[in-house]
Amino acid sequence: DTGVSQNPRHKITKRGQNVTFRCDPISEHNRLYWYRQTLGQGPEFLTYFQNEAQLEKSRLLSDRFSAERPKGSFSTLEIQRTEQGDSAMYLCASSSRWQDQPQHFGDGTRLSIL
Amino acid sequence: AQTVTQSQPEMSVQEAETVTLSCTYDTSESDYYLFWYKQPPSRQMILVIRQEAYKQQNATENRFSVNFQKAAKSFSLKISDSQLGDAAMYFCAYSHGLTGANSKLTFGKGITLSVRP
Repeated sequence: DTGVSQNPRHKITKRGQNVTFRCDPISEHNRLYWYRQTLGQGPEFLTYFQNEAQLEKSRLLSDRFSAERPKGSFSTLEIQRTEQGDSAMYLCASSSRWQDQPQHFGDGTRLSIL
Repeated sequence: AQTVTQSQPEMSVQEAETVTLSCTYDTSESDYYLFWYKQPPSRQMILVIRQEAYKQQNATENRFSVNFQKAAKSFSLKISDSQLGDAAMYFCAYSHGLTGANSKLTFGKGITLSVRP
């Protein structure tokens, strides 16, 4: 168990640019979640996958956001035309298909918009 | 929609003492899970303890225990024999029971716990 890995750890970009984050879940986990955490707040759910299928998306996920999980392995979260309000920590979590197993979180990617 | 409320933004405890962190939640479901997660500064979030709503017995994990009051929709975390390493932000979280512990989490705003040596 190598844990959930997220890259990059920190991304600084100018407003209007596109950014992409990657999450590698724990290898045997088939469920993968994305959350967004702003300063001083708890994480907010964005979307989740079971294998390669995206099963739920939050209303927070505007049309500028897209997430994929090709082949049910790693996942990417892309934000197009970034805005100041997108500055946050983006957390990825994974879990197994067994219902009594909790989610394991990565270290997160901190996005800063200049 | 489910909500989780943590009304205390900060708490402080003396090393070796006991501290209780409060959490209330609102749901119309009868089957659900509750969690406490710990997030140290600049480090990843880790699960501290969880409680299945159908279980009447309060969960315990070493120095950590919960007081689950289902009727009052209250879920507090007690940390005994506090250690310096317990200093972190603590989040209370909820998930539906229908899809088990794998469903999305709804988090409270968190509480920052500091431990005085």
